[in-house]
This record gives sequence, C-alpha cells and structure tokens, in this order.
Amino acid sequence: TQLLEQSPQFLSIQEGENLTVYCNSSSVFSSLQWYRQEPGEGPVLLVTVVTGGEVKKLKRLTFQFGDARKDSSLHITAAQPGDTGLYLCAGTPRGSGGSNYKLTFGKGTLLTVNP
Amino acid sequence: GAVVSQHPSRVICKSGTSVKIECRSLDFQATTMFWYRQFPKKSLMLMATSNEGSKATYEQGVEKDKFLINHASLTLSTLTVTSAHPEDSSFYICSARSGTSAYNEQFFGPGTRLTVL
Repeated sequence: TQLLEQSPQFLSIQEGENLTVYCNSSSVFSSLQWYRQEPGEGPVLLVTVVTGGEVKKLKRLTFQFGDARKDSSLHITAAQPGDTGLYLCAGTPRGSGGSNYKLTFGKGTLLTVNP
Repeated sequence: GAVVSQHPSRVICKSGTSVKIECRSLDFQATTMFWYRQFPKKSLMLMATSNEGSKATYEQGVEKDKFLINHASLTLSTLTVTSAHPEDSSFYICSARSGTSAYNEQFFGPGTRLTVL
C-alpha cells in the first residue's frame, strides 16, 4: 500500500503551459516536503508545509497543504524547460516520530517541459 | 546552509569487490543519516537509517551484511557495498537530518552512481 499517492506519474507539456501535481493520503501528516530532482543528482528541497490550508509560493511554483493535512499540491505556472525534472512529495505521518523520522515518499512525477 | 556531499560521484568496480561511499554533512551536525537506492525514473527506496554512534536500522529486505553502514561522527556516514554484483548497480543517495529541524526536512547528497561489471 502506497501511503502517499502522487499523480500524475508522467507529464509532458509545452513551454508556457500550467500544470498541477497532486499528493494524496488517507493519513494525516505532521509536515510535507516537495523535492525536485534532476537526472544524475540528488533531490533538492523546494518547500516544507506544516499548517493545514497553508499556501506557499516560490516564484512560479505554488504549494498547498490540505486543510486536513492529508494532501498537497504543487502548481507550476507558465512552465519552462528548466522546470523539467522528477518532483517528489514526502512527509512524516503524524505519530511516527519514534521511527527515526523516516520520510515517506510518493512515487514521483516525471515532468518534461518541451521548448 | 544544509549542504550534504557524497564521494565518489561515480564508481565502476569488478564483481566481487567492495566499494565504500562517503556521505558528509558540511555545515551542520546530522543526528540521523539515511541511505537510499534509486532506480531510473523511480522514487527513492530507503535502505537504512543510521544514527551517530549506534547500529544502523535496515529496512525489510535489505541485507545488513552486504550493505555495511557506519555513522562514526555527526558529519560522516559511510555505506560499504560488500562483494558487489552487477545487480547492485544503482544510484545510491544519502540524506542527512539536522537535529535542529522542527519539520524533519532531509537534505540530500548528489548521489553516487555505482556500476558493477
């Protein structure tokens, strides 16, 4: 059973289009992170959301944490080829602090933005 | 801040040999480090969690005698792939968690591409 369902798994769009990536769970998360990974490199932390209903913006990227802290979304406006990469959501289910703070990862969304 | 380095970035070895990968937190003390394995275009698969000064905790299905982890200091963890075989070829990534982080962010190294011939 996948604790964090991430969709879509693959997304290929044209430069200038908008897109949304979803991360859903039946569990409540204490916090949730979004990472972006380029080929041959490690994931880079984009944002951490911790409060239900929270919205954070990072230039053309908008991150939202659901009111119940069970889901999150990443919206990219006017995508550019430089946005190409693997986007990963990850989080710590509430009440799992004793398990060495392991992160639970979604399966990832492989985004390709064509020029 | 929060920089994690990994060395080497690429390694090619012969079947049966052992390979050591180092993971360092450069500007913070990492109470916990994690080792992941990643297959092409897939998400990260946690192999083990290591805390400084104690034995690593391995995920189910990961052979602890094959993947030796040593977390000797608050800034260094090593992963040794012993008696490597071609099926061990993969992208290995470490991450470090700062004890001061309230939100459990992990900061990742750049990864090590292991190829076993």
